[in-house]
Amino acid sequence: GENVEQHPSTLSVQEGDSAVIKCTYSDSASNYFPWYKQELGKGPQLIIDIRSNVGEKKDQRIAVTLNKTAKHFSLHITETQPEDSAVYFCASDPAGGGADGLTFGKGTHLIIQP
Amino acid sequence: GAGVSQTPSNKVTEKGKYVELRCDPISGHTALYWYRQSLGQGPEFLIYFQGTGAADDSGLPNDRFFAVRPEGSVSTLKIQRTERGDSAVYLCASGRGGNYGYTFGSGTRLTVV
Repeated sequence: GENVEQHPSTLSVQEGDSAVIKCTYSDSASNYFPWYKQELGKGPQLIIDIRSNVGEKKDQRIAVTLNKTAKHFSLHITETQPEDSAVYFCASDPAGGGADGLTFGKGTHLIIQP
Repeated sequence: GAGVSQTPSNKVTEKGKYVELRCDPISGHTALYWYRQSLGQGPEFLIYFQGTGAADDSGLPNDRFFAVRPEGSVSTLKIQRTERGDSAVYLCASGRGGNYGYTFGSGTRLTVV
């Protein structure tokens, strides 16, 4: 089955700096890659996703890049703010589009230092 | 409602007991998912419903776990003969299926003592 590796497990950055979180996946059939943000005591919230026919997608301060050949994708957050502090999860879906179960990474605890 | 509702938010039960966890999806969402999240880990897929039927139950860990969605809306996750290792946050999510992402609820924190 699919295996998703996520790095780093903890990331501390100064407010205003950029943060990058990286994930690799194993199943070449995977073609949908969402990113979720989880705050304490809440469920994961979808923040951005990318499909395999696209190399990069941007939404304001958040961007995701995908390299299908290398089987890795990354989340980029620019101009970080205190409210960006949370745990971020990457995921992949071999069926595409979230129609079946997602395989999640273990998460990155992002800490924004004031 | 506006989001996915899960009840109870917390459940403490004794080892060996039976528990039911409820999920009310977003109105009109045909796809419903159950995940389990242990401390410090990402969510782990359990089961996926499309309408009333379980389209994929490959993530259920063993036959003590069962889920139903009789009318294609509310779903119940049932755990028999609970074990301490079942302690986790059980997350439900709903979506429109197909090529759309889905929305998670806040979860039920299950503690087996």
